[in-house]
Amino acid sequence: GNSVTQMEGPVTLSEEAFLTINCTYTATGYPSLFWYVQYPGEGLQLLLKATKADDKGSNKGFEATYRKETTSFHLEKGSVQVSDSAVYFCALRNSGNTPLVFGKGTRLSVIA
Amino acid sequence: GAVVSQHPSWVICKSGTSVKIECRSLDFQATTMFWYRQFPKQSLMLMATSNEGSKATYEQGVEKDKFLINHASLTLSTLTVTSAHPEDSSFYICSARDLTGDSYNEQFFGPGTRLTVL
Repeated sequence: GNSVTQMEGPVTLSEEAFLTINCTYTATGYPSLFWYVQYPGEGLQLLLKATKADDKGSNKGFEATYRKETTSFHLEKGSVQVSDSAVYFCALRNSGNTPLVFGKGTRLSVIA
Repeated sequence: GAVVSQHPSWVICKSGTSVKIECRSLDFQATTMFWYRQFPKQSLMLMATSNEGSKATYEQGVEKDKFLINHASLTLSTLTVTSAHPEDSSFYICSARDLTGDSYNEQFFGPGTRLTVL
């Protein structure tokens, strides 16, 4: 079946540090890959996505590249801010009408 | 992006009572809505897929008589937790799929409803 594995948290970083949150997936076919972010007290928001191999999704300084050979979609940001503190979820969707499958989420805390 | 609302945002109820949670797509029509359950420090677990005008499709292990889902219109789906027990305490999140415009096929999420059963 389809599944997503992401690194365990929590992750605590100082402001302006480099961030990597690892995500690997198992899926049949060619899934679309997503990163969602959940800020405290809010619903999940789409952060970025990639729909095919070698695509790079980017938004708000975050990037992730769809690597088919390593079945990975690691999230990176060069310089984190306190406002980036949130829970980040990696997710996949296998085909148009199927629901998203989520990883367990990684809590990021950025301290000034 | 599109907005999905949930009501109530939190509810406390006594064991044995039923609780209804509403999910609305505010500025788009959603033929498909999804209900997820999130346990502390865990991922979102898909409970069921709700299609407007037809019966919901439940994931394996989810009791359909316990978690009643109704999707009577293109902008509203409801989840009723019947005869709630403390183990039903959780964070329930709905999601709606937008099949129009620039957000084609994107899932938008509500802010969640925290249910506490005493």
